[in-house]
Amino acid sequence: AQSVTQLDSQVPVFEEAPVELRCNYSSSVSVYLFWYVQYPNQGLQLLLKYLSGSTLVKGINGFEAEFNKSQTSFHLRKPSVHISDTAEYFCAVIGAGGTSYGKLTFGQGTILTVHP
Amino acid sequence: DGGITQSPKYLFRKEGQNVTLSCEQNLNHDAMYWYRQDPGQGLRLIYYSQIVNDFQKGDIAEGYSVSREKKESFPLTVTSAQKNPTAFYLCASHGQGENYGYTFGSGTRLTVV
Repeated sequence: AQSVTQLDSQVPVFEEAPVELRCNYSSSVSVYLFWYVQYPNQGLQLLLKYLSGSTLVKGINGFEAEFNKSQTSFHLRKPSVHISDTAEYFCAVIGAGGTSYGKLTFGQGTILTVHP
Repeated sequence: DGGITQSPKYLFRKEGQNVTLSCEQNLNHDAMYWYRQDPGQGLRLIYYSQIVNDFQKGDIAEGYSVSREKKESFPLTVTSAQKNPTAFYLCASHGQGENYGYTFGSGTRLTVV
């Protein structure tokens, strides 16, 4: 089975400042990693994903994340945030094998609030 | 455009009533999922189906039921046995290949009154 821990439940930041949302995972098998964004009363939108290859993944809206296998982390970063980035962000993993094959496991979410 | 359609967006139910949430996809995905979202608890898996006419319980299946008679459709019934049904419900499907990953619907907010 897999588990995901998002280390910060809320992250306040000023507009145009950099931000990092932290995510650690635990798994006995290889994993695929995802970051999703959710705006109020909406579904989840995929920001980026890591399946294989380069450990630095670039996504939509200027976000990027780096897969660190030794630290079992997949932190999300943006060099300069905008007011419109205010939302809840979810880190998630899918086990690449075993009984959890194909099932997406989520972290608890991080609410990013961008202040003017 | 391909995607997932959930309906209705908002749903009110009286205690003791069953209610069915609709989920339709035109992505030709085999696997479909239902999640429940509560504030501060992330998303929890209710049921999933990897193929037509087959489905499996997730982590919180008690009080819920599903069917998968067609590849495109995966309706969720919230029964009167669900003790705390007020929540935001999300349906998803799972793509393979270069589109590997989940696509989510826009959700249904269920309120029990």
